[in-house]
Amino acid sequence: DTAVSQTPKYLVTQMGNDKSIKCEQNLGHDTMYWYKQDSKKFLKIMFSYNNKELIINETVPNRFSPKSPDKAHLNLHINSLELGDSAVYFCASSQLLGTQETQYFGPGTRLLVL
Amino acid sequence: AQSVTQLGSHVSVSEGALVLLRCNYSSSVPPYLFWYVQYPNQGLQLLLKYTTGATLVKGINGFEAEFKKSETSFHLTKPSAHMSDAAEYFCAVSVHGSGNTGKLIFGQGTTLQVKP
Repeated sequence: DTAVSQTPKYLVTQMGNDKSIKCEQNLGHDTMYWYKQDSKKFLKIMFSYNNKELIINETVPNRFSPKSPDKAHLNLHINSLELGDSAVYFCASSQLLGTQETQYFGPGTRLLVL
Repeated sequence: AQSVTQLGSHVSVSEGALVLLRCNYSSSVPPYLFWYVQYPNQGLQLLLKYTTGATLVKGINGFEAEFKKSETSFHLTKPSAHMSDAAEYFCAVSVHGSGNTGKLIFGQGTTLQVKP
Protein backbone atom coordinates (compact mmCIF):
# COMPACT_ATOMS: atom_id res chain seq x y z
CA ASP A 1 0.00 0.00 0.00
CA THR A 2 1.39 3.37 -1.03
CA ALA A 3 1.12 5.83 1.83
CA VAL A 4 1.47 9.04 -0.19
CA SER A 5 0.87 8.76 -3.90
CA GLN A 6 1.19 11.29 -6.68
CA THR A 7 -0.02 11.30 -10.25
CA PRO A 8 1.40 11.62 -12.74
CA LYS A 9 4.95 10.52 -12.05
CA TYR A 10 6.26 12.30 -15.14
CA LEU A 11 4.81 15.30 -16.91
CA VAL A 12 6.22 16.81 -20.09
CA THR A 13 4.40 19.81 -21.47
CA GLN A 14 4.76 22.98 -23.49
CA MET A 15 5.17 26.49 -22.12
CA GLY A 16 1.86 28.21 -21.59
CA ASN A 17 -0.10 25.06 -20.86
CA ASP A 18 -2.08 24.41 -17.69
CA LYS A 19 -1.46 21.19 -15.77
CA SER A 20 -2.48 19.54 -12.52
CA ILE A 21 -0.71 17.16 -10.17
CA LYS A 22 -2.72 15.04 -7.79
CA CYS A 23 -1.74 13.81 -4.36
CA GLU A 24 -3.46 11.35 -2.08
CA GLN A 25 -2.50 9.99 1.31
CA ASN A 26 -4.05 6.95 2.95
CA LEU A 27 -2.42 7.50 6.35
CA GLY A 28 -5.33 9.38 7.89
CA HIS A 29 -3.14 12.44 8.35
CA ASP A 30 -4.49 15.92 8.95
CA THR A 31 -1.78 17.94 7.22
CA MET A 32 -0.47 17.90 3.67
CA TYR A 33 2.30 19.81 1.91
CA TRP A 34 3.70 20.63 -1.50
CA TYR A 35 7.45 21.02 -2.00
CA LYS A 36 9.47 21.98 -5.06
CA GLN A 37 12.91 20.44 -5.67
CA ASP A 38 14.96 22.27 -8.26
CA SER A 39 17.69 20.95 -10.52
CA LYS A 40 20.28 21.46 -7.75
CA LYS A 41 18.13 19.30 -5.46
CA PHE A 42 17.23 22.25 -3.25
CA LEU A 43 13.91 21.63 -1.52
CA LYS A 44 11.52 24.42 -0.69
CA ILE A 45 8.04 24.32 0.74
CA MET A 46 5.29 25.84 -1.35
CA PHE A 47 2.04 25.18 0.48
CA SER A 48 0.54 23.31 3.38
CA TYR A 49 -3.01 22.48 4.34
CA ASN A 50 -4.41 21.32 7.62
CA ASN A 51 -7.87 19.78 7.54
CA LYS A 52 -8.48 21.44 4.17
CA GLU A 53 -7.43 24.85 5.50
CA LEU A 54 -4.49 26.67 3.92
CA ILE A 55 -1.73 27.13 6.49
CA ILE A 56 1.45 27.92 4.58
CA ASN A 57 1.56 29.86 1.34
CA GLU A 58 5.12 30.74 0.51
CA THR A 59 6.05 33.36 -2.06
CA VAL A 60 4.86 31.23 -4.92
CA PRO A 61 3.54 32.80 -8.15
CA ASN A 62 -0.23 32.90 -8.18
CA ARG A 63 -0.13 30.68 -11.26
CA PHE A 64 0.17 27.90 -8.68
CA SER A 65 -3.08 27.07 -6.95
CA PRO A 66 -3.46 24.25 -4.46
CA LYS A 67 -6.82 22.65 -3.81
CA SER A 68 -7.76 20.31 -1.00
CA PRO A 69 -11.13 18.68 -1.66
CA ASP A 70 -10.79 16.62 1.51
CA LYS A 71 -8.22 15.78 4.15
CA ALA A 72 -6.74 12.95 2.10
CA HIS A 73 -6.15 14.91 -1.08
CA LEU A 74 -4.09 17.94 -2.01
CA ASN A 75 -3.85 18.79 -5.67
CA LEU A 76 -1.65 21.37 -7.35
CA HIS A 77 -2.81 23.24 -10.43
CA ILE A 78 -0.34 25.27 -12.44
CA ASN A 79 -1.48 27.82 -15.02
CA SER A 80 0.56 29.22 -17.89
CA LEU A 81 3.55 26.97 -17.32
CA GLU A 82 7.02 28.53 -17.68
CA LEU A 83 10.42 26.99 -18.30
CA GLY A 84 11.41 27.77 -14.73
CA ASP A 85 8.62 25.58 -13.40
CA SER A 86 10.58 22.51 -14.47
CA ALA A 87 11.35 20.68 -11.25
CA VAL A 88 10.36 17.72 -9.14
CA TYR A 89 7.26 18.39 -7.05
CA PHE A 90 6.80 16.41 -3.86
CA CYS A 91 3.67 15.99 -1.86
CA ALA A 92 3.99 15.12 1.82
CA SER A 93 1.74 14.58 4.79
CA SER A 94 2.04 14.57 8.57
CA GLN A 95 -0.30 13.24 11.21
CA LEU A 96 -0.79 16.60 12.84
CA LEU A 97 0.15 20.19 12.22
CA GLY A 98 3.26 20.77 14.25
CA THR A 99 6.94 21.45 14.25
CA GLN A 100 7.83 18.04 15.68
CA GLU A 101 5.88 16.04 13.19
CA THR A 102 7.46 13.60 10.78
CA GLN A 103 6.54 14.31 7.19
CA TYR A 104 5.93 11.41 4.82
CA PHE A 105 6.80 12.13 1.22
CA GLY A 106 5.35 10.89 -2.01
CA PRO A 107 7.57 9.65 -4.87
CA GLY A 108 7.53 12.98 -6.68
CA THR A 109 6.25 14.30 -10.00
CA ARG A 110 8.93 15.21 -12.50
CA LEU A 111 7.72 18.18 -14.51
CA LEU A 112 9.54 19.25 -17.64
CA VAL A 113 8.36 22.36 -19.43
CA LEU A 114 9.57 22.70 -23.02
CA ALA B 1 14.96 32.89 11.60
CA GLN B 2 16.07 29.30 11.30
CA SER B 3 18.53 28.05 8.71
CA VAL B 4 20.55 24.94 7.95
CA THR B 5 23.97 24.49 6.38
CA GLN B 6 25.29 21.14 5.23
CA LEU B 7 29.05 21.13 4.86
CA GLY B 8 30.13 19.20 1.81
CA SER B 9 27.78 18.73 -1.10
CA HIS B 10 29.45 15.44 -1.94
CA VAL B 11 30.96 12.84 0.41
CA SER B 12 32.66 9.69 -0.80
CA VAL B 13 33.53 6.75 1.49
CA SER B 14 34.59 3.18 1.02
CA GLU B 15 32.26 0.35 1.93
CA GLY B 16 32.73 -0.44 5.61
CA ALA B 17 34.14 2.99 6.45
CA LEU B 18 32.66 5.54 8.82
CA VAL B 19 30.05 7.86 7.38
CA LEU B 20 29.99 11.43 8.68
CA LEU B 21 27.63 13.99 7.16
CA ARG B 22 27.78 17.45 8.68
CA CYS B 23 24.90 19.75 9.49
CA ASN B 24 24.94 23.07 11.31
CA TYR B 25 21.87 25.04 12.13
CA SER B 26 20.93 28.52 13.14
CA SER B 27 17.94 29.03 15.40
CA SER B 28 16.92 31.59 17.97
CA VAL B 29 14.80 29.01 19.79
CA PRO B 30 15.49 25.37 20.70
CA PRO B 31 15.46 23.64 17.34
CA TYR B 32 13.73 20.55 16.14
CA LEU B 33 16.11 18.83 13.73
CA PHE B 34 15.61 16.14 11.14
CA TRP B 35 17.65 14.01 8.76
CA TYR B 36 15.91 12.74 5.65
CA VAL B 37 17.31 10.43 2.96
CA GLN B 38 16.38 10.47 -0.71
CA TYR B 39 17.22 7.44 -2.82
CA PRO B 40 17.46 7.97 -6.57
CA ASN B 41 14.14 8.84 -8.16
CA GLN B 42 12.28 8.50 -4.89
CA GLY B 43 10.73 10.73 -2.26
CA LEU B 44 12.30 11.60 1.06
CA GLN B 45 12.26 9.24 4.01
CA LEU B 46 12.88 10.18 7.62
CA LEU B 47 16.10 8.76 9.07
CA LEU B 48 15.82 10.32 12.52
CA LYS B 49 14.80 13.45 14.37
CA TYR B 50 15.64 15.37 17.50
CA THR B 51 12.93 17.21 19.37
CA THR B 52 13.68 17.09 23.08
CA GLY B 53 15.39 14.77 25.53
CA ALA B 54 18.39 12.61 24.75
CA THR B 55 20.81 14.40 22.48
CA LEU B 56 22.05 11.21 20.80
CA VAL B 57 19.33 10.07 18.46
CA LYS B 58 19.26 6.68 16.78
CA GLY B 59 17.53 6.21 13.49
CA ILE B 60 16.88 3.61 10.88
CA ASN B 61 19.52 1.66 8.94
CA GLY B 62 22.15 2.09 11.66
CA PHE B 63 22.35 5.88 11.45
CA GLU B 64 22.56 8.17 14.43
CA ALA B 65 23.00 11.87 15.07
CA GLU B 66 24.00 13.94 18.04
CA PHE B 67 22.51 17.30 18.87
CA LYS B 68 25.24 19.62 20.17
CA LYS B 69 23.82 22.93 21.23
CA SER B 70 27.22 24.49 21.96
CA GLU B 71 28.35 23.74 18.41
CA THR B 72 24.93 24.29 16.79
CA SER B 73 25.45 20.98 15.05
CA PHE B 74 23.49 17.84 14.26
CA HIS B 75 25.94 15.62 12.38
CA LEU B 76 24.81 12.28 10.99
CA THR B 77 27.01 9.21 11.42
CA LYS B 78 27.06 5.53 10.64
CA PRO B 79 29.92 3.29 11.80
CA SER B 80 30.14 1.19 8.64
CA ALA B 81 28.91 2.27 5.21
CA HIS B 82 27.01 -0.10 3.00
CA MET B 83 26.59 0.20 -0.74
CA SER B 84 22.85 0.68 -0.22
CA ASP B 85 23.55 3.88 1.75
CA ALA B 86 24.41 5.73 -1.45
CA ALA B 87 21.80 8.47 -1.64
CA GLU B 88 21.10 12.15 -1.06
CA TYR B 89 20.87 13.22 2.58
CA PHE B 90 19.04 16.30 3.79
CA CYS B 91 19.25 17.98 7.16
CA ALA B 92 16.25 20.10 8.11
CA VAL B 93 15.07 22.35 10.91
CA SER B 94 11.46 23.07 11.67
CA VAL B 95 10.37 26.62 11.99
CA HIS B 96 9.15 27.82 15.34
CA GLY B 97 7.86 31.14 16.32
CA SER B 98 5.07 32.60 14.32
CA GLY B 99 2.55 29.82 14.54
CA ASN B 100 2.88 26.10 14.63
CA THR B 101 3.00 25.50 10.90
CA GLY B 102 5.25 22.47 10.63
CA LYS B 103 7.34 24.28 8.03
CA LEU B 104 10.69 22.60 7.35
CA ILE B 105 13.79 24.46 6.20
CA PHE B 106 16.12 22.08 4.36
CA GLY B 107 19.84 22.21 3.87
CA GLN B 108 21.21 21.96 0.37
CA GLY B 109 21.77 18.24 0.62
CA THR B 110 24.82 15.97 0.65
CA THR B 111 25.33 13.24 -1.90
CA LEU B 112 26.85 10.15 -0.32
CA GLN B 113 28.85 7.91 -2.63
CA VAL B 114 29.93 4.50 -1.35
CA LYS B 115 32.81 2.84 -3.19
CA PRO B 116 33.29 -0.92 -3.16
